[in-house]
Amino acid sequence: AQKITQTQPGMFVQEKEAVTLDCTYDTSDQSYGLFWYKQPSSGEMIFLIYQGSYDEQNATEGRYSLNFQKARKSANLVISASQLGDSAMYFCAMREVNDYKLSFGAGTTVTVRA
Amino acid sequence: DTAVSQTPKYLVTQMGNDKSIKCEQNLGHDTMYWYKQDSKKFLKIMFSYNNKELIINETVPNRFSPKSPDKAHLNLHINSLELGDSAVYFCASSKGEVGYTGELFFGEGSRLTVL
Repeated sequence: AQKITQTQPGMFVQEKEAVTLDCTYDTSDQSYGLFWYKQPSSGEMIFLIYQGSYDEQNATEGRYSLNFQKARKSANLVISASQLGDSAMYFCAMREVNDYKLSFGAGTTVTVRA
Repeated sequence: DTAVSQTPKYLVTQMGNDKSIKCEQNLGHDTMYWYKQDSKKFLKIMFSYNNKELIINETVPNRFSPKSPDKAHLNLHINSLELGDSAVYFCASSKGEVGYTGELFFGEGSRLTVL
């Protein structure tokens, strides 16, 4: 069964606007971590933000925030004030406490328009 | 100073050849991984080692053989390359304590093209 679901294959956003990337996950573990990674066209995987399942506050890192809704098993990424350099593929991922690996979603391509 | 480094960054080779990709991390992590990213950009775990011990071995053809000479290095050897092996292979590392749910640090990827 798919552990991470990203339903938006591609999105366009106007420069300086905010964009929300959807992510839902499936786990029966109580302890897990949720992540967002960015992959620009150059190909590297850049870690953006982390949310632990026991964290009560939503994680924020600069212009990135993670909207964590535990009951709905959702971990949406919000990018505020989009910049042209934000154009990339974004992956949601999860690491369960009894598992060493990250399981990734299919990714969402974001294109920022000037 | 690169935290997770892989070599080579690009490989172009003929079907049937054997090739290796090397990975080194200087983060002091206990756990290392190989992921494959296919043409649709889907990232799939292949192998993981924790302190030189194989802990994850997903359904991968026997032609793929990982080797971890020490906890800072994880190499991937591929025998008898096939067209379907063309992909980007990412090495990654992480802390390995039981109960840890933190991030993986990725290398820059090695793009393998099989002709």
